[in-house]
Amino acid sequence: AQSVTQLGSHVSVSEGALVLLRCNYSSSVPPYLFWYVQYPNQGLQLLLKYTTGATLVKGINGFEAEFKKSETSFHLTKPSAHMSDAAEYFCAVSDADTDKLIFGTGTRLQVFP
Amino acid sequence: DTGVSQDPRHKITKRGQNVTFRCDPISEHNRLYWYRQTLGQGPEFLTYFQNEAQLEKSRLLSDRFSAERPKGSFSTLEIQRTEQGDSAMYLCASSLALSSRNEQFFGPGTRLTVL
Repeated sequence: AQSVTQLGSHVSVSEGALVLLRCNYSSSVPPYLFWYVQYPNQGLQLLLKYTTGATLVKGINGFEAEFKKSETSFHLTKPSAHMSDAAEYFCAVSDADTDKLIFGTGTRLQVFP
Repeated sequence: DTGVSQDPRHKITKRGQNVTFRCDPISEHNRLYWYRQTLGQGPEFLTYFQNEAQLEKSRLLSDRFSAERPKGSFSTLEIQRTEQGDSAMYLCASSLALSSRNEQFFGPGTRLTVL
């Protein structure tokens, strides 16, 4: 069975500081991995995804993530946080046959001025 | 492409009432998914359709829940005899399944509050 673990339910950073949100996965097949962002009372927006190929994936809004098979990790980073980055972030892995997504419990990012 | 839409956006109901939610996927998408998200948690898979066929149901989907996708277009999710534990955000997503590992696009969700 596939699963995702997000370490840290809350992360707080200052505006301009590095953002690091952690995600570890468990999968018996090569994983497809996703990061989604959710703003209050809204649906999920795809930030970036890893399928195959290059392990460093760039997404929208300056975010990027690196797939590390040896560490079973897919951490999300952004060099400089902006106030507008404050939101809930979800890491997910997709089922190989059905594409259904298995999500982590989420990390709430707070950005302080 | 107008994206995935869901209706209503918010629903408040009393315990024991029935509610129905609608999801309109992106027009050419053949797969449609329903997820439930409770406060402080990630979305959890409920069920999915390929065209009009319901191919998988989670054990989270009790007998009080039923989903349909007539004609392989829009989908409805009905909850009968609602309970306070049903209060959650219900998310719909669609994808175009051409092979495997296809991207899902999410709607804005329907927030259900059961009093």
